[in-house]
Amino acid sequence: QKEVEQDPGPLSVPEGAIVSLNCTYSNSAFQYFMWYRQYSRKGPELLMYTYSSGNKEDGRFTAQVDKSSKYISLFIRDSQPSDSATYLCAMRAGANNLFFGTGTRLTVIP
Amino acid sequence: GAVVSQHPSRVICKSGTSVKIECRSLDFQATTMFWYRQFPKQSLMLMATSNEGSKATYEQGVEKDKFLINHASLTLSTLTVTSAHPEDSSFYICSARDRLAGRETQYFGPGTRLLVL
Repeated sequence: QKEVEQDPGPLSVPEGAIVSLNCTYSNSAFQYFMWYRQYSRKGPELLMYTYSSGNKEDGRFTAQVDKSSKYISLFIRDSQPSDSATYLCAMRAGANNLFFGTGTRLTVIP
Repeated sequence: GAVVSQHPSRVICKSGTSVKIECRSLDFQATTMFWYRQFPKQSLMLMATSNEGSKATYEQGVEKDKFLINHASLTLSTLTVTSAHPEDSSFYICSARDRLAGRETQYFGPGTRLLVL
């Protein structure tokens, strides 16, 4: 079983739609949860960072962590064509290394 | 956010040659840098963790003699792929932790695309 599971998609939505991206994990020691956005042929860019359970909102992006279910989500409101990218969830326990999901490829259609 | 650069952005080389990739933290000091490899449509796989002034820690299955890592300063780490083969063709991405900003802050470089012919 992989440490982090993420549906690779692809996911296509019309412009303006609400996008829901999710990851599940198996290691209950994970405490730090991140979402990265990666455009084609570019390095990942940190979008959201959350410590432990709870919600965090930043503009059109909301990150949710449910440690009891070992489930994290990223919501994108009013999606734009410029949001088209691969979204990677990542998590770690303490000062240890990051574990990445496989990434979900999102396309927002104008 | 903080900036991490990589050079070169892409490189094509012949099989058997060595290739060096540089990773620099431009506006912060990084005691720890990470090297990842990403194959098409796959996620990032950690290859090694590079600590300034000490030997790198390699992940299981990564040959340390093939992937030489040097982290000589707080702003520079290098990855040298020795005797490259076509199966080494991949997207190599470095990442650096900002020493002052906290361990949760990890910034990625733009990646280096390596093609071995």
